[in-house]
Amino acid sequence: QVTLKESGPVLVKPTETLTLTCTVSGFSLSNARMGVSWIRQPPGKALEWLAHIFSNDEKSYSTSLKSRLTISKDTSKSQVVLTMTNMDPVDTATYYCARAPNWNRPLYMDVWGKGTTVTVSS
Amino acid sequence: QSVLTQPPSASGTPGQRVTISCSGSSSNIGSNTVNWYQQLPGTAPKLLIYSNNQRPSGVPDRFSGSKSGTSASLAISGLQSEDEADYYCAAWDDSLNVGVFGGGTKLTVL
Repeated sequence: QVTLKESGPVLVKPTETLTLTCTVSGFSLSNARMGVSWIRQPPGKALEWLAHIFSNDEKSYSTSLKSRLTISKDTSKSQVVLTMTNMDPVDTATYYCARAPNWNRPLYMDVWGKGTTVTVSS
Repeated sequence: QSVLTQPPSASGTPGQRVTISCSGSSSNIGSNTVNWYQQLPGTAPKLLIYSNNQRPSGVPDRFSGSKSGTSASLAISGLQSEDEADYYCAAWDDSLNVGVFGGGTKLTVL
């Protein structure tokens, strides 16, 4: 059974750096076809794509957030990590990670984690 | 402002057929496949349609997708109360080299 689980702090202060971990099971991050994306959803708002890491370790980032985001993976730990610097209250959202099983179709995400809610407040 | 444009709301009565549109450009929908996600209240999004018109295992055939040029559509036939949810289209954008979502459509079953 394929699962993804997001973890990280529930509360962060403005200007702090957020680190989120996506732990996957049921498939390998070393699989040549598999990629993982991060997506977020502010309360009551739409989904927003943040970043994607391809099977060959190539990365892509949201244009508006590119300067603040870093995505990486640790294949041995079956984890994909997203860091976001200089957090602001507008970054308050539920953050999801999702698997993309087709290497050249990163927005085809067949399994999603349940999400982790992050609040930015002093 | 989302790169892909969806109507904010749609509605129908049980048994009806409804369609939700998704409009993009040559660099996203025009060049790549479209995927649709269903998000029930309080839950994570779920893949509904991939590669324009393919249904994952377990998705009823009441749901169908199509694409023409720089637009795509999701159709739901035989509308049921449990279809009440938010629906999102998504595609890769080649010129920006990023993923893009539509703004979402809230479907109400009257």
